[in-house]
Amino acid sequence: QKEVEQDPGPLSVPEGAIVSLNCTYSNSAFQYFMWYRQYSRKGPELLMYTYSSGNKEDGRFTAQVDKSSKYISLFIRDSQPSDSATYLCAMRPNTGGFKTIFGAGTRLFVKA
Amino acid sequence: NAGVTQTPKFRVLKTGQSMTLLCAQDMNHEYMYWYRQDPGMGLRLIHYSVGEGTTAKGEVPDGYNVSRLKKQNFLLGLESAAPSQTSVYFCASSYELSAGRDQETQYFGPGTRLLVL
Repeated sequence: QKEVEQDPGPLSVPEGAIVSLNCTYSNSAFQYFMWYRQYSRKGPELLMYTYSSGNKEDGRFTAQVDKSSKYISLFIRDSQPSDSATYLCAMRPNTGGFKTIFGAGTRLFVKA
Repeated sequence: NAGVTQTPKFRVLKTGQSMTLLCAQDMNHEYMYWYRQDPGMGLRLIHYSVGEGTTAKGEVPDGYNVSRLKKQNFLLGLESAAPSQTSVYFCASSYELSAGRDQETQYFGPGTRLLVL
C-alpha cells in the first residue's frame, strides 16, 4: 500500500466550477502538507502549504487537513482554464524530514 | 535569477550506455534532490544532498550515483542505463527544511526526459 493515495483522474469541469482534489495517507507522523501544481512538461511549483491540521486560504485556493481521518483536500473556487494542470499532494513528517512523499497527482481540465 | 536549471532537456540512450544529468541552482540553497516521475507513481526521491560534499540515498537509488562537489550543482549519473530508467527526471532545491513555507518549498527544474532503448 502506498503511503499517499491520490486519484489520478482526469477530472474535467466547466469554467467557474468548484473543484475538490483529495489525498489520503497512512503515516500518522506526517505534519507538513503541501499541494504542488504542475503544468504540462514543466516542473512542479508549490501552491499551498499547511502545517498540522486546519484550513488555509489563498485567493481562490483553500487547503484543508484532517489528521484524524488522514485526509487532505484542495479546493479551487471559480476555476479557470489556466488552472488546468496536474495537482500533486505532498507531505512529510516532523523529523527526518528531508524525505517528502508525493502523491501520484490528479490531472485537472477546466473547460472554457 | 534562473532558479533551477537542468541539462539536457531530452536524451535517448541505448541500454548499457552511461550519462550524467546536470542540475544547477542560483538560490544558494543547502538542500538538493533528484526525483524521477513515472505515470501513476508520482515523484520518487532518488538521491539527495544536505550540503556541499554530502549525498544520501532516497527511495529508489539503485542504478544511480550522484555528486555535489559545488553547492550550486548536483549531478546524477547513470553508469549503465536500463529501459526501466526511462522516465522524467526532476532536480529540486530548498533551504534547510524546517517549519515555515519558505523553508518547506522545493523549487523544481524543468525536467529531463530520458528514453532508454
